[in-house]
Amino acid sequence: TQLLEQSPQFLSIQEGENLTVYCNSSSVFSSLQWYRQEPGEGPVLLVTVVTGGEVKKLKRLTFQFGDARKDSSLHITAAQPGDTGLYLCAGDLGYGKLTFGQGTILTVHP
Amino acid sequence: DVKVTQSSRYLVKRTGEKVFLECVQDMDHENMFWYRQDPGLGLRLIYFSYDVKMKEKGDIPEGYSVSREKKERFSLILESASTNQTSMYLCASSLQGASSPLHFGNGTRLTVT
Repeated sequence: TQLLEQSPQFLSIQEGENLTVYCNSSSVFSSLQWYRQEPGEGPVLLVTVVTGGEVKKLKRLTFQFGDARKDSSLHITAAQPGDTGLYLCAGDLGYGKLTFGQGTILTVHP
Repeated sequence: DVKVTQSSRYLVKRTGEKVFLECVQDMDHENMFWYRQDPGLGLRLIYFSYDVKMKEKGDIPEGYSVSREKKERFSLILESASTNQTSMYLCASSLQGASSPLHFGNGTRLTVT
């Protein structure tokens, strides 16, 4: 059983479309991190959200932490082929150990 | 920039062999982690360490052990490799403290035949 449920598992879209990736749990997290991983490399941190209801923007990426700190979403506006990759959410249960979602493989076609 | 270096990108081992995966970080991070990554399962924590000579089991420690004799180095050991340990292994490090981001190496793809 996955503590963090991430959906969808796969996304294949055209350049210019918008998309949202969801990360849900029944557990409360002290913080939640989003990572992006490209083939042949390790995951790289995109953002950390800490406060319930927090919204952070990184260019065309918008990250939201749920009010109850149990869920989060990543929204990409006007996706580009350079956004292609594996997106991972990871929750901190409070003692520094992260638990990861299953990941979302995003493919953006030109 | 933090650099986490994993000694091998690809390894092929036979069933029953003892396998060592090495990881070194250069930023004096207290925490080090070993994850395995499998399609559809995300990253699963095998072992982690908050300090030298200290280790804690993660979610899937069975069949693995670790060693941290120096702060910068964290080794993952497969005592007797099995085919179900074929996977991508990722090492990471972080500072102590809440919400510290993980810095990952580029991974070791291990195949056990």
